[in-house]
Amino acid sequence: DQQVKQNSPSLSVQEGRISILNCDYTNSMFDYFLWYKKYPAEGPTFLISISSIKDKNEDGRFTVFLNKSAKHLSLHIVPSQPGDSAVYFCAATYANTGNQFYFGTGTSLTVIP
Amino acid sequence: GAVVSQHPSRVICKSGTSVKIECRSLDFQATTMFWYRQFPKKSLMLMATSNEGSKATYEQGVEKDKFLINHASLTLSTLTVTSAHPEDSSFYICSARQGFPGELFFGEGSRLTVL
Repeated sequence: DQQVKQNSPSLSVQEGRISILNCDYTNSMFDYFLWYKKYPAEGPTFLISISSIKDKNEDGRFTVFLNKSAKHLSLHIVPSQPGDSAVYFCAATYANTGNQFYFGTGTSLTVIP
Repeated sequence: GAVVSQHPSRVICKSGTSVKIECRSLDFQATTMFWYRQFPKKSLMLMATSNEGSKATYEQGVEKDKFLINHASLTLSTLTVTSAHPEDSSFYICSARQGFPGELFFGEGSRLTVL
């Protein structure tokens, strides 16, 4: 049972424009969410996270929005750059209990120069 | 950020042999490490949770006797693929969590090819 879902397997965006990647989850007990970026043949790298007590977290060009009532989070990248082309995974976990991270299936972002 | 290192990054072996992959947390202690497998164009599949000083916890459908996990110290976990078959060819990734709440830091991954 996929508790974290990314319904868009791919996304293409023009350089300089905004990239919006979406993620939905089913378990309302999740209280910590993360976004990872992955290049082929490499391990994922951490991008940004958000606690359930917040609805927005910003780090440079990356902003994550959390809508708890809709069980939805999104990652905004602005402006998008060709180097942002990668697969992006969202993940959910419990902040203070357990170790399990639940990953979405990933969205492949292509930023067109 | 914290660093998790995996070795080797690529390994090719003959069918029937065993291969060991190491995962090290370089600047923090990790009582728990995770082993994932990624199939082409698929998400990360959690194989097992490696616990320092105790037995690993395997996910449903993962063969314990085929994928041996040893977490001998707070900075090292190993995954041994025993009697490898071509269908074991995959990209294996380890990770460790630093603190609560904390990010999951991933190793570079290991590409296993079984001939």
